[in-house]
Parts: sequence; C-alpha cells; structure tokens
Amino acid sequence: EVQLVESGGDLVQPGRSLRLSCAASGFSFDNYTMYWVRQVPGKGLEWLSAISWNSGRIGYGDSARGRFTISRDNAKNSLYLQMNSLKPEDTALYYCVRAIGGYSEYYFDYWGQGTQVTVSS
Amino acid sequence: DIQVTQSPSSVSASVGDRITITCRASEGIKNRLAWYQQKPGKAPKLLIYAASTLQDGVPSRFIGSGSGPDFTLTISSLQPEDFATYFCQQPFGFSVTFGQGTRLEIK
Repeated sequence: EVQLVESGGDLVQPGRSLRLSCAASGFSFDNYTMYWVRQVPGKGLEWLSAISWNSGRIGYGDSARGRFTISRDNAKNSLYLQMNSLKPEDTALYYCVRAIGGYSEYYFDYWGQGTQVTVSS
Repeated sequence: DIQVTQSPSSVSASVGDRITITCRASEGIKNRLAWYQQKPGKAPKLLIYAASTLQDGVPSRFIGSGSGPDFTLTISSLQPEDFATYFCQQPFGFSVTFGQGTRLEIK
C-alpha cells in the first residue's frame, strides 16, 4: 500500500524556519517525481516545489522560490521541504504528493494526509 | 504559467441528478487535464487524468471530456458520496496549476 506521511508542521513566528519531511512507503520511491502542494483550509491548491526522481530537475512556484528548498533522500525514501523566512501567508496545510505522467506532464495519484504549518506571532 | 478557470464555484443538486463542471485553460493544453475530488478533512483524490482517462477504482459515472482550452467533468447520476469539492489541474512541466474548485452541495 502506498503511503506518504508528512511531519514537521508547527506553529512558528514570522521570519523563522521550518523543515517538513515526508516518509514514503509501499512503492519504489526513487522512480517518481515528488511534489509539495499546499492548501489554505477552504481554499484552493497551490504547487510549491517539485523534484525529479534523481534530484536532477527541481522547480519552485512563485510563493516558494528563494525561500524554500526541496530535497530528497532516496536511500531513506524521504522527501523534504526546508522553509525559511516564513510569512503569515504561508499558513496552510502542506501535502507531500506523488506525481505520475511523464517528463512534461504531471498528475498526482497519491497524497499524504498533510501537515499543518501556522505562521503567527 | 498556464492558468485554469473553473466554473461554477458551487452547485446544488440532488441524488440522481446529472451535473457538469467546466474548466478552461489559458493556453492550448491539448487533452492534458486532471480532475480531483476532495472531501472535508481529506486529501484530494485523483479521478480523471489526460482529460478522459478514469483512474483505477473510480466509478464510471465520472466522465471527463474536452480538449484545450475547454474541459468538462460530468457526474452522470449523483450518489450521496459524490458531494464534495472538485478541482481541475493542468499538468504541464513542473508548474502545474489548479482550478479554484467547485463545491457540490446537496439540494
């Protein structure tokens, strides 16, 4: 059974840092591109960052670029998101997501349960 | 980035009804679009990808159609478990984007 389990979410003050982790199991983690997607409760979905199977391709959405860093450790079946200079508008539920498709198109077939990040003084 | 505009933002319907949700892409994306269902407190669930391909285990009453820029998700006969929020998503490159969501409510 495919499982994605996020952790690391917390209540932090503006300007602080946080590192999210995602533990993957039930599939060959090193065969898949992985994403971080966030959602403000009751609102839409926003892609933050993506990383190819071998970390050879990395991308960031506008909200993440320059502040967040994605990484993965295939030996540990784990995905990470280092978030720096956090802002109140980063408050959201953060999902670790497995992507399927191909080099130029990505759909999301498995999602974690999400980890809550709250940025507030 | 390619934007997707979803409508309506909400719809009320009854069990057994047929409903349609639309998504329009800002650029040509051929038949590249996905639909997701999200229930309260749960992660989104992939229903359809490549505009019309049903994900494994998804009931056949969910029907995707269209080719860029206009796409539709039709639920042919609503069941009680279908009342949820639906999102479309364009999948190009890493810079995917999601529609704003359609909340399907019981009339």
